Amino acid sequence: DVKVTQSSRYLVKRTGEKVFLECVQDMDHENMFWYRQDPGLGLRLIYFSYDVKMKEKGDIPEGYSVSREKKERFSLILESASTNQTSMYLCASSTLGKMETQYFGPGTRLLVL
Amino acid sequence: AQKVTQVQTEISVVEKEDVTLDCVYETRDTTYYLFWYKQPPSGELVFLIRRNSFDEQNEISGRYSWNFQKSTSSFNFTITASQVVDSAVYFCALSEAEETSGSRLTFGEGTQLTVNP
Repeated sequence: DVKVTQSSRYLVKRTGEKVFLECVQDMDHENMFWYRQDPGLGLRLIYFSYDVKMKEKGDIPEGYSVSREKKERFSLILESASTNQTSMYLCASSTLGKMETQYFGPGTRLLVL
Repeated sequence: AQKVTQVQTEISVVEKEDVTLDCVYETRDTTYYLFWYKQPPSGELVFLIRRNSFDEQNEISGRYSWNFQKSTSSFNFTITASQVVDSAVYFCALSEAEETSGSRLTFGEGTQLTVNP
């Protein structure tokens, strides 16, 4: 079974803090993704990566950065957290290819005070 | 640009009723994939089905069935004899062949299904 894990289920941070969200997959997938989920908006792609040290912006990259130093790990970084980044963050992975199925982690609910 | 619209924001049914979740999509590509995911209260999105644009054959898996109609750009999902455990948010998503890299998914807004005992 595909296994995608995220470092925290719930996180509370203060405005201005630097926040790291970690995602690890154990299926040797090339592609990894970060989404945020907000009520009424569905899932929106923040960043994705198709190889180590490679990254591409998604639809809403502003205020975020990412890091992929190892194939199995993809980190989302909020350089200076703001209250409008309070959201559910979901990580996913897939094999290389343009229309492969993405498998998701359990999500991290982030609250920025 | 591609777009996915889930017609119903919320649906509430009584156990054992049949329920259909509607999904309409827009794309200029001739080659694409459609997906359905389930998100139970625990939060993790669970993959249910992937269907490519060249295969319009309907699919049935237990109590779940999917009706893909290219002529109306719809990919609807029906649960037969619903159960309380079917309560979740369901997402429809689209992936296109023309993306330059990766396998980007465009999601609908989700449909909250509540099945009452």
